[in-house]
Amino acid sequence: QVQLVESGGGVVPPGRSLRLSCIASEFTFSSCGMHWVRQSPGKGLEWVAIISKDGNIKNYADSVKGRFTISRDNSKNTLYLQMNSLRPEDAAVYFCARGHINSWDSEGYYYTDVWGRGTTVAVSS
Amino acid sequence: QSGLTQPPSASGTPGQRVTISCSGSNSNIENNLVYWYQHLPGTAPKLLIYSNNQRPSGVPDRFSGSKSGASASLAISGLRSEDEAGYFCAAWDDSLSGPVFGGGTKLTVL
Repeated sequence: QVQLVESGGGVVPPGRSLRLSCIASEFTFSSCGMHWVRQSPGKGLEWVAIISKDGNIKNYADSVKGRFTISRDNSKNTLYLQMNSLRPEDAAVYFCARGHINSWDSEGYYYTDVWGRGTTVAVSS
Repeated sequence: QSGLTQPPSASGTPGQRVTISCSGSNSNIENNLVYWYQHLPGTAPKLLIYSNNQRPSGVPDRFSGSKSGASASLAISGLRSEDEAGYFCAAWDDSLSGPVFGGGTKLTVL
């Protein structure tokens, strides 16, 4: 069945970097946009970044702009999130999510349908 | 970023009907579509409602969504014990140029 599996989380000191990956299966990965969304302990969900199906359009939440980079390799069915200059407030469970293709959004850019289980990032010295 | 506003908790007894609200603004809910998800800790969130009131295949018709102005609601009728979970709403935000989410509502089936 359609599946997204995140990996790459861990414990890092403030100021260091981490790269998250999300491997997609059982759907045409190159047909839709992809998102990263995070949930900090005890808090609600926060959208982090979005990338179009071809990788040409990217956008970021203000809280991560200039520090995080979203990218994708459609030949490997893989989404990435490069996180630099990590701060304690970046600690969260990071989810990747597939863009929802529907009658009014044929490229699946705006909303999400399938999510992964998440990978946990902790930022601590 | 400012999120959508949901009550932190809701409850009901088996068979009852419960509603969960989601409040936003003219930059998100009022002018864009609303999605609803169900989430159990440690699992992948599951899409319940898209485009305000549409159910993906496989989602029971006990779940329904509605929107009015800058607010939306998720209704669950014929409440079952397996409905005990977290529920969150989402909408595209024109100011953010990205989706904004509700804080989530934990539903308890008494």
